[in-house]
Amino acid sequence: RKEVEQDPGPFNVPEGATVAFNCTYSNSASQSFFWYRQDCRKEPKLLMSVYSSGNEDGRFTAQLNRASQYISLLIRDSKLSDSATYLCAVTRAGSYQLTFGKGTKLSVIP
Amino acid sequence: GAVVSQHPSWVICKSGTSVKIECRSLDFQATTMFWYRQFPKQSLMLMATSNEGSKATYEQGVEKDKFLINHASLTLSTLTVTSAHPEDSSFYICSAPGQGKYGYTFGSGTRLTVV
Repeated sequence: RKEVEQDPGPFNVPEGATVAFNCTYSNSASQSFFWYRQDCRKEPKLLMSVYSSGNEDGRFTAQLNRASQYISLLIRDSKLSDSATYLCAVTRAGSYQLTFGKGTKLSVIP
Repeated sequence: GAVVSQHPSWVICKSGTSVKIECRSLDFQATTMFWYRQFPKQSLMLMATSNEGSKATYEQGVEKDKFLINHASLTLSTLTVTSAHPEDSSFYICSAPGQGKYGYTFGSGTRLTVV
């Protein structure tokens, strides 16, 4: 089992739609959790950290479920500019090393 | 904010030659640098961790004699792909932990094409 697994995608959604991504992790000792956005041929950019209590940033909401070992990202009112690949990432216990999921490609269609 | 400058952005080289990729921390000291590789439609895979003044730590399956990492100063880490082959064609990216708003600063990446 891979350390971090994501929905296979791709997701093609119309503008204004709500879309949700899930990501599971295998190491129960994982400490920190993140969602990154990666545009084609670019470096990943941090979208948001994910906390146990859940957190929201505008149209984006992230949730962490430690018992089931998954994190989620919800995007409301999708914009064309949201089209990108979304990567979840976790850190190993006691380490700064980020382990990334394969990513899920989102295409928002006019 | 914290910036990691990575060069070159892209490079095309002939099979059998070596290519050096540099990552410089511009406004902070990076004692550690992570090096990742990403094949098309694949995840960013950690290759190795470089630490200033000591030997790099390589992930399982990464050939340390092929991917030479040097972290000679607190502001510069380099990755040299030696005797490159077409299968080494990939997107290579560095990342310094402990900086930036949420603790990681990425370089802009290097797209290597070996022909």
